Amino acid sequence: GAGVSQSPSNKVTEKGKDVELRCDPISGHTALYWYRQRLGQGLEFLIYFQGNSAPDKSGLPSDRFSAERTGESVSTLTIQRTQQEDSAVYLCASSGGVAGGTDTQYFGPGTRLTVL
Amino acid sequence: GDSVTQMEGPVTLSEEAFLTINCTYTATGYPSLFWYVQYPGEGLQLLLKATKADDKGSNKGFEATYRKETTSFHLEKGSVQVSDSAVYFCALRSGGSYIPTFGRGTSLIVHP
Repeated sequence: GAGVSQSPSNKVTEKGKDVELRCDPISGHTALYWYRQRLGQGLEFLIYFQGNSAPDKSGLPSDRFSAERTGESVSTLTIQRTQQEDSAVYLCASSGGVAGGTDTQYFGPGTRLTVL
Repeated sequence: GDSVTQMEGPVTLSEEAFLTINCTYTATGYPSLFWYVQYPGEGLQLLLKATKADDKGSNKGFEATYRKETTSFHLEKGSVQVSDSAVYFCALRSGGSYIPTFGRGTSLIVHP
């Protein structure tokens, strides 16, 4: 595809349920990021994947959050036993994985999660 | 740790007015600096970037200059349009780091 896609675009769930969010990065991009964007807040880093290296999970807020990525393809972010505080827009971004801090990230449109 | 501070919004302007959105940062070393724009219902898009001191990034009439002495990267546009209404995020990435730090975003509303 031409850009990063995410699904679903909106998800409403009940407190305590599990949810799974999907991200399709730009083909060929080795790096993939997940962020959380709460209303009126900046982007909060969650997790980073680079190729086949072990992911950087340092931003995950609790053990209810997990993410997987197979190779350089699709990634899924799973939130178990959702809480109302998990309500936010979850953004995915991919990049070519160039080192040195100048790499451009391309963002998906996000998944808006609402926990009732 | 690294941090980015942006002016709080919303910033409300009339069409053709001059725009400044302030951004200051703290970082170790010499970071790269970015401005992203998020239009309603869309993901973030890179607007412009600068990778070293005194560099000026520019795109779509927007520009920002990397000022090391004042640790700032203020976004400017000489004449805004209604279509510029969006949320603008300032961000940095420290050299060698793969995780950027974002500001809270500044909402811009442009009236006809």
